[in-house]
Amino acid sequence: SYVLTQPPSVSVAPGETARITCEGKNIGTKSVHWFQQRPGQAPILVIHYDRDRPSGIPERLSGSNSGNTATLTISRVEAGDEADYYCQVWDSDVGVFGGGTKLAVL
Amino acid sequence: EVQLVESGGGLAQPGRSLRLSCAASGFAFDDYAMHWVRQGPGKGLEWVSGITWESGSIAYADSVKGRFTISRDNAKNSLYLEMNSLRNEDTALYYCTKEMDAYTLGAAFDIWGQGTAVTVSS
Repeated sequence: SYVLTQPPSVSVAPGETARITCEGKNIGTKSVHWFQQRPGQAPILVIHYDRDRPSGIPERLSGSNSGNTATLTISRVEAGDEADYYCQVWDSDVGVFGGGTKLAVL
Repeated sequence: EVQLVESGGGLAQPGRSLRLSCAASGFAFDDYAMHWVRQGPGKGLEWVSGITWESGSIAYADSVKGRFTISRDNAKNSLYLEMNSLRNEDTALYYCTKEMDAYTLGAAFDIWGQGTAVTVSS
C-alpha cells in the first residue's frame, strides 16, 4: 500500500516561513491535498490539487509537488497557523493520509 | 449553508455492531462522492471508505474491508456506515466528508462534519 511520510513536528517563529513536507514514491505523479486541523475541530481543506487554494484560504499558504516530495509552505507565519497539517492522495481509489505534522509557532 | 451532521456513535463491545449516519444539507447530495474518515484518540486521520454519487463504485481501507459497509440514500440525502465485528482499534471519531468535485471519485474533501465518536470496549 502507498505510504506518505510527514515530519512529526515543525517549529517556526512568527513572521518566518514554515515548510511541511510529504514524501511518497513518485508523489509528483499524483494530486496532493492538504488539510489543517486545529485542536478539537474538524479538518479543513487548505490546498487542493497540489497548489490550488479554496476560497477563504490566505495567499500565505501555498503548495508544490515534484518527484518524491510535496510541500506545504506557510509564509509570514502567525500564531493562528498553529495546528496539525495532513497531506492526502488517492492510490487506486483508496484514500491515503500522511501521519500529520504539528506546526508549533514559537 | 452546506452541512454534514453525523450521528449513531456510542459505546459498543468488541464483536458487536453500530450504524453511523450522516445527514447532508445545502448542496446537491446526489452529485457528489462521499466518504468516511476516522481519527483515533491522539492519532492522525485515516480514510475508511468512499462511495460514488450513484453508488456505482465503493472502496474500503484494508483495515475495515469485510467488516464495514458504506451506503447512501440519495432520496434522504444521507450517508451510512454499517460497522460489524467491531474491534478495540476501531475506537475513533468518525467524520463524514464530501468531495469537492461533482461526478468524480478522488477529488479533495471540501466539507467535513463534526464527527461522531465510537468507543469499542468491553
